Amino acid sequence: GQNIDQPTEMTATEGAIVQINCTYQTSGFNGLFWYQQHAGEAPTFLSYNVLDGLEEKGRFSSFLSRSKGYSYLLLKELQMKDSASYLCAPMDSNYQLIWGAGTKLIIKP
Amino acid sequence: GAVVSQHPSRVICKSGTSVKIECRSLDFQATTMFWYRQFPKQSLMLMATSNEGSKATYEQGVEKDKFLINHASLTLSTLTVTSAHPEDSSFYICSARDHPTSGGESTDTQYFGPGTRLTVL
Repeated sequence: GQNIDQPTEMTATEGAIVQINCTYQTSGFNGLFWYQQHAGEAPTFLSYNVLDGLEEKGRFSSFLSRSKGYSYLLLKELQMKDSASYLCAPMDSNYQLIWGAGTKLIIKP
Repeated sequence: GAVVSQHPSRVICKSGTSVKIECRSLDFQATTMFWYRQFPKQSLMLMATSNEGSKATYEQGVEKDKFLINHASLTLSTLTVTSAHPEDSSFYICSARDHPTSGGESTDTQYFGPGTRLTVL
């Protein structure tokens, strides 16, 4: 079957760094997306990885290891507005995104 | 970046009425649009995949006669919830996927609309 595993909730301090891990199992693989979703809002696109390695985009970086079925999202210089859920969504062989429940990130001052 | 709009953002209706939700890609052409439903504190649930000019593909358990999807153009898809009931109250979100343009390259990235919060009384 297809499965996403992320921590349910994480807490971090403003200005710090946090890494959100994701392991996945899918039928085929066509890349992995990270989305941010604030409470009551739709998801917004953060990053896309299709090859192994690290993709850096400003304060956010995303890493992928296809052989391990593993990805992480790294958030630096945390701001209060980063409090949100972070969704790891791999794309399967049918080009469909597989969604888990996401990780709720709480930022404390 | 790619922008997807959704209208209305919020709707309250009486049980038994029908509600139409529009999803538009504003600055790109979308061969494929997706309709999701999300209940509070739960993950996104894909309802159907809609390709321009063809019938939508519904996920298991989603009634195609209740949730009518029309994808008449590369920039517009509509979801009509027919004879809505209180259990249909939810957050409905559309997303659109890039269309490969001449000389360009599709990223397969889905861009989400802002969502429609439906409350059925």
